[in-house]
Amino acid sequence: DAKTTQPTSMDCAEGRAANLPCNHSTISGNEYVYWYRQIHSQGPQYIIHGLKNNETNEMASLIITEDRKSSTLILPHATLRDTAVYYCIVRVADNYGQNFVFGPGTRLSVLP
Amino acid sequence: GAVVSQHPSRVICKSGTSVKIECRSLDFQATTMFWYRQFPKKSLMLMATSNEGSKATYEQGVEKDKFLINHASLTLSTLTVTSAHPEDSSFYICSANPGPTAFFGQGTRLTVV
Repeated sequence: DAKTTQPTSMDCAEGRAANLPCNHSTISGNEYVYWYRQIHSQGPQYIIHGLKNNETNEMASLIITEDRKSSTLILPHATLRDTAVYYCIVRVADNYGQNFVFGPGTRLSVLP
Repeated sequence: GAVVSQHPSRVICKSGTSVKIECRSLDFQATTMFWYRQFPKKSLMLMATSNEGSKATYEQGVEKDKFLINHASLTLSTLTVTSAHPEDSSFYICSANPGPTAFFGQGTRLTVV
């Protein structure tokens, strides 16, 4: 699986959009970009994933650059409950028998 | 989405005793489950892959005799920490992939005193 690079930490004001970047310059054509988050003392929570088109769901939007070498997770209106570590993971989608590999992630602090 | 349930959420045990952690897939069958360990302020590290009906596959450096894994049914995998020591204190998390996404248990905070 391709390696990803994320900032160590970010702050965001409550009610504002949180934009979390991820670099994955060695991504392969069949690898998807996944985002998970982990709130303190809980298991990781799935947020969103995509291949090349931008994706949106009730939690967030995922913007993938045209060359697919980077992406941005957008939380449109961050709340205090969005404070968590956010993980960007790149992997082949149909590899069900393979674990997800977690990097250090980005620690997002939403400030009141 | 799919639900993976882990039990207990936290446990305290004495040194030398064993503790069992259960991981259940509630609304799907999982032939494979994964067990991770997480130290404070660190990321998740894969310990082992649990395979229904066969032996688990352990990552390098993980003692299979200390971390016993049993995957006796398509909805249940268990991790038993045997002869626990204080250094085994950690956050243990299981997961399964019912499709292209992984779903994780709530985690188990193990404290060995």
